[in-house]
Amino acid sequence: KQEVTQIPAALSVPEGENLVLNCSFTDSAIYNLQWFRQDPGKGLTSLLLIQSSQREQTSGRLNASLDKSSGRSTLYIAASQPGDSATYLCAVQTQGGSEKLVFGKGTKLTVNP
Amino acid sequence: EAQVTQNPRYLITVTGKKLTVTCSQNMNHEYMSWYRQDPGLGLRQIYYSMNVEVTDKGDVPEGYKVSRKEKRNFPLILESPSPNQTSLYFCASSFLTGYTEAFFGQGTRLTVV
Repeated sequence: KQEVTQIPAALSVPEGENLVLNCSFTDSAIYNLQWFRQDPGKGLTSLLLIQSSQREQTSGRLNASLDKSSGRSTLYIAASQPGDSATYLCAVQTQGGSEKLVFGKGTKLTVNP
Repeated sequence: EAQVTQNPRYLITVTGKKLTVTCSQNMNHEYMSWYRQDPGLGLRQIYYSMNVEVTDKGDVPEGYKVSRKEKRNFPLILESPSPNQTSLYFCASSFLTGYTEAFFGQGTRLTVV
């Protein structure tokens, strides 16, 4: 059974700092890994999608990497801003069966001005 | 604009009163699914559908029903809601290939009293 773990559960940093969020998964039979952002009580906004054959994806100040063999992904946020404060969720889409997304429990990021 | 639309966004109801949460997508996606999000438990899949008239149970299907009569719509039905179904619900859709981004609705916050 696929399990996704995100560390740390919460992170507080000063504005301008570069930071890394971690995600690990137990089963490497995945189609892709997606990073989402969720603001309190709101929906999920997709940030980056990495196919299982890819190593990384970049969008603006965000860079996500994937090491499928070791079951790890990182989300790097450069020059953090208060507007980046949110919960970041990592999800892997599993192969076979329900094709479902299995989510980690998220990292709650606070960027202080 | 590509989107997944859920209605209602907020709902307070009483135990036992049947309700339906609607979900519609405009991207011609084959795959649609419902998740619930609870504190400390994260997002868990309730039901999914791989195409019209094809539905199956996810991880937490008890107390829920779904139907997929049209490709764009995937309603979630609670025949007899109970307080333990108080949660934040998300509908999601994607292509079935497994290598594409999943899109999420804005969520429905349901309270059963």
